[in-house]
Amino acid sequence: EVQLLESGGGLGQPGGSLGLSCAASGFSFNIYPMTWVRQAPGKGLEWVSSISNSGDHASYGDSVKGRFTVSRDNSKNELYLQMNSLTDEDAGIYYCLKGAWGSRFDNWGQGTLVAVSS
Amino acid sequence: QAVVTQEPSLTVSPGGTVTLTCGSSTGPVTAGHFPYWFQQKPGQAPTTLISDVRNTFSWTPVRFSGSLIGGKAALTLSGAQPEDEAEYFCLLVYGVTWVFGGGTKLTVL
Repeated sequence: EVQLLESGGGLGQPGGSLGLSCAASGFSFNIYPMTWVRQAPGKGLEWVSSISNSGDHASYGDSVKGRFTVSRDNSKNELYLQMNSLTDEDAGIYYCLKGAWGSRFDNWGQGTLVAVSS
Repeated sequence: QAVVTQEPSLTVSPGGTVTLTCGSSTGPVTAGHFPYWFQQKPGQAPTTLISDVRNTFSWTPVRFSGSLIGGKAALTLSGAQPEDEAEYFCLLVYGVTWVFGGGTKLTVL
């Protein structure tokens, strides 16, 4: 059974940093690209970033480009999102999602909540 | 960045049929946008219903189907059930980036 478990959410300060993790199990993590999607409170879904299976290619949404960095450790079956220069608009639930280029988006994690406040 | 449009809300009667659509500001939606449909119930993570226009998953109820209609991606629900009341989001690919639609809140009433 595919499982994706996000962690690292919490309270960040405006201009500060937070790091998220997603622990994957139940599938061959190293052969699948992975994706982060977020959802602001009461709002819709927003694609944040995707990373190739090897980690050598990543893509970002316009709203996070230059501030967020996606990475992965295939030896640990983990996906990461480093969020810098946080703003109020970065608050919300961050979901880890299996899939991206050439691989169907299928399984979602339960999400981790990020709040941004001074 | 492209804008993906969906009906903000729709209502369907139990047992009825409803079609949700997904349009693109850049022109007609095609198979090359690899349209996806996701379902999200209150307080829950989304689930993936449809990929690549019409491909379903093992967990997708057979009453859901995807297609292209009139230059838009479409999600048709045939024989609506009370448990289908949810928000539905479409997703389109633009090169190496993806854009979600704003979502359609579907009421079964």
